[in-house]
Amino acid sequence: DTEVTQTPKHLVMGMTNKKSLKCEQHMGHRAMYWYKQKAKKPPELMFVYSYEKLSINESVPSRFSPECPNSSLLNLHLHALQPEDSALYLCASSQEEDEAFFGQGTRLTVV
Amino acid sequence: GESVGLHLPTLSVQEGDNSIINCAYSNSASDYFIWYKQESGKGPQFIIDIRSNMDKRQGQRVTVLLNKTVKHLSLQIAATQPGDSAVYFCAERAYSTLTFGKGTMLLVSP
Repeated sequence: DTEVTQTPKHLVMGMTNKKSLKCEQHMGHRAMYWYKQKAKKPPELMFVYSYEKLSINESVPSRFSPECPNSSLLNLHLHALQPEDSALYLCASSQEEDEAFFGQGTRLTVV
Repeated sequence: GESVGLHLPTLSVQEGDNSIINCAYSNSASDYFIWYKQESGKGPQFIIDIRSNMDKRQGQRVTVLLNKTVKHLSLQIAATQPGDSAVYFCAERAYSTLTFGKGTMLLVSP
């Protein structure tokens, strides 16, 4: 199994809503990542988890809250988002010295 | 030929041509480099990687060249096919952080 599974594939939420994005991998990878990607731009790193501990937070606003319940799961909790937060949110995992495998992303629209 | 638009450089080639996509990276501490292919509406897909102790690596129809002196990476695709049309990103790893370059859109005409 070389898949990273993200749910939901699409999400529309209002600015007062609370929602969560989910990511799952069963490759035994110890590093997991959240990236944000705007149209025609490269993915931008948001968070890195290593061995279930948050190791990197790239100055992401607190309305984005990551969580790593176990070594296979990664969540991104969303609250009070702005329309400019609309983007493709990508999850990835890797063994620390190897390539990162990406999920298909969640297309988020904030209205 | 290659054009640089407002956001994303584009390389247009004919089917069967060889394509070369270039990337300049920024961090001298980067020790691992990856090329990804991203099709519309999908996540990045791994193509080929290279570590900093190498200067060339070949895969099936793809070759990556690394020039650490000028911090330059290139991806060569042999006999380009319409299915190769996508956006290609280089990525560099330093201190557990994987950072993506700006990307190049490859358009392959039949």
